Amino acid sequence: QKEVEQDPGPLSVPEGAIVSLNCTYSNSAFQYFMWYRQYSRKGPELLMYTYSSGNKEDGRFTAQVDKSSKYISLFIRDSQPSDSATYLCAMRTRMDSSYKLIFGSGTRLLVRP
Amino acid sequence: EPEVTQTPSHQVTQMGQEVILRCVPISNHLYFYWYRQILGQKVEFLVSFYNNEISEKSEIFDDQFSVERPDGSNFTLKIRSTKLEDSAMYFCASSDWGDTQYFGPGTRLTVL
Repeated sequence: QKEVEQDPGPLSVPEGAIVSLNCTYSNSAFQYFMWYRQYSRKGPELLMYTYSSGNKEDGRFTAQVDKSSKYISLFIRDSQPSDSATYLCAMRTRMDSSYKLIFGSGTRLLVRP
Repeated sequence: EPEVTQTPSHQVTQMGQEVILRCVPISNHLYFYWYRQILGQKVEFLVSFYNNEISEKSEIFDDQFSVERPDGSNFTLKIRSTKLEDSAMYFCASSDWGDTQYFGPGTRLTVL
């Protein structure tokens, strides 16, 4: 079983739609969760960071963590064509002093005008 | 807004040659990382660096790889003898206390 699983997509939605992106993980030691956005051939750009179960909101983005189910989500409201990118979930353990991140494979999102 | 920068943006080299990839992390950050992403695959951790030493390295980071912080601003990744399978995007990242890592734009390494 992979440590972090993420549906690769592509996910195609019309402009204005609510987008739901998800990751599951197997390692219960993961305590810190991040969402990155990556445009083609660019570096990952940090969108959201959270470490507790529940919701965290930032503008049009909401990150949700359910540690009991080992499931995290990113919701994008009022999606825009500029949101078209690959979304990567990433996570790390609390005990790992190196702070290395384990990434999902990414979900490609296309927002149609 | 401070950002991580990387040079060159694209490096082409012959198999067996040495390459050095350069990074300038965000100035007040203490932790530095290299990750790589082979085309179409996930971002993979290579090495983390803190207090002038490696804190962890992955299985990928074998004896052909080394990292250095030669001065107060640069952070480099050296591959001593490149192989075809080293072709990938290499990302440098930095963080202050490890909580949030900020990535550079990457160096695309092509080994012929």
